Amino acid sequence: ETGVTQSPTHLIKTRGQQVTLRCSSQSGHNTVSWYQQALGQGPQFIFQYYREEENGRGNFPPRFSGLQFPNYSSELNVNALELDDSALYLCASSAGQGNEQFFGPGTRLTVL
Amino acid sequence: GEDVEQSLFLSVREGDSSVINCTYTDSSSTYLYWYKQEPGAGLQLLTYIFSNMDMKQDQRLTVLLNKKDKHLSLRIADTQTGDSAIYFCADLESGYQKVTFGTGTKLQVIP
Repeated sequence: ETGVTQSPTHLIKTRGQQVTLRCSSQSGHNTVSWYQQALGQGPQFIFQYYREEENGRGNFPPRFSGLQFPNYSSELNVNALELDDSALYLCASSAGQGNEQFFGPGTRLTVL
Repeated sequence: GEDVEQSLFLSVREGDSSVINCTYTDSSSTYLYWYKQEPGAGLQLLTYIFSNMDMKQDQRLTVLLNKKDKHLSLRIADTQTGDSAIYFCADLESGYQKVTFGTGTKLQVIP
């Protein structure tokens, strides 16, 4: 059974650019949640996708958007990057809402 | 909004017990979790407890929940150097899918 995978591992962008991060959910999981973890902080919930629909959103501006595909993989898009967007972005999948979330290793985004 | 707080750092000697504490504010939490994060790695779910339970034991791990005081603790018996990591408590809000994490407690195990 393949776990949650994320790509790329590391990414460097400049202010104002756009970025797309990708997540492949664990086999059999239909729910994907995205989190932002700034250095020295706990993960902050960005949003969750369940069966291709956004199903809950944290306190993040609209320039953070996402997609979930029919195979339940997901993308996180961030427009107009700011320096404070530098963080580890974690994706977690689960077999339905409210069930145990399995986390991927994360994508480290650096905005210069 | 929901707030989850933890002490930042804990140092113990190998073989001793570790106790990591957490307080939360959401009275409608359904599940409370403990996650472990090692350097450069994602989050690993260690254990969880339902909000209607007081205690859960899983091998070396004991979780205690005081719902009245909104206090959660994780006890690690016979702490090993491999237990050195950052530990996060987190809760799942009732009727919602948002998991709120604490700031994490860095556990240092001294050989």
